[in-house]
Amino acid sequence: SAVISQKPSRDICQRGTSLTIQCQVDSQVTMMFWYRQQPGQSLTLIATANQGSEATYESGFVIDKFPISRPNLTFSTLTVSNMSPEDSSIYLCSVKQGANNEQFFGPGTRLTVL
Amino acid sequence: LAKTTQPISMDSYEGQEVNITCSHNNIATNDYITWYQQFPSQGPRFIIQGYKTKVTNEVASLFIPADRKSSTLSLPRVSLSDTAVYYCLVGVSRGSTLGRLYFGRGTQLTVWP
Repeated sequence: SAVISQKPSRDICQRGTSLTIQCQVDSQVTMMFWYRQQPGQSLTLIATANQGSEATYESGFVIDKFPISRPNLTFSTLTVSNMSPEDSSIYLCSVKQGANNEQFFGPGTRLTVL
Repeated sequence: LAKTTQPISMDSYEGQEVNITCSHNNIATNDYITWYQQFPSQGPRFIIQGYKTKVTNEVASLFIPADRKSSTLSLPRVSLSDTAVYYCLVGVSRGSTLGRLYFGRGTQLTVWP
C-alpha cells in the first residue's frame, strides 16, 4: 500500500494568515485528492490535484481559497488562504495507487484557526 | 451520486457480531458499494467492496440484497480495537481510474468490554 506523509501534522494559526500543507507519497501516483474533515463531521472532497494542470475543484471550493500545486507524481501541496476559524479542520491527502487503483489516505493535518 | 443513509451510532460488546446497514435507494447500475473504517486521528482505510450478493474477506462480510438498495456490513466477534467510524460509499469501483470518493456521515461504532 502507498505510504503517505503530510506536513505539518498539526498547526495553530491566526486568522487572516495562510498555511501550506504538504503531501508526499512514497511512489508515483496518477491521482491525488485533498479532503477536509471538520470536527465531528465526515470527509468532504475539496479537489483533485492533477499533475501538470490545474486542480479540479468540487462545488463550494475555489482556487483562490485553496490553491493546490502538483509539481510531480509524488508530491502535492494544499494552501488554506486567508484563514478564518471556520477553516479549522483536518485536511487529508489521498491517492489512488496500484494495479487495483486502491485509494489510500494520509494521516491528516489538524488545523486550528484562532 | 447515490446518497447513503446509515445509523449515526451503534454500541456493541466484545465478542459480538455487529451488523451495520446502509440504505442507498437510488444506486445506479454501475455503482459499487464500498465500506471504509476510520480510527481517531487517522485517515480512512478500505474494508470491503461489493456489487451484489455476498462478499467476504479476512476482516468483514458484506451482504447486498438483489435490489441493491441497501447493504449490510458484518463484523464478526468485534473487539475494543474495532471502535471506529464506518463509512458506506456508493460509486465507481475502487479499481476504477475514474471517480472520486464521496463520504456520507458514517456510523460511530463503540465496542465495550
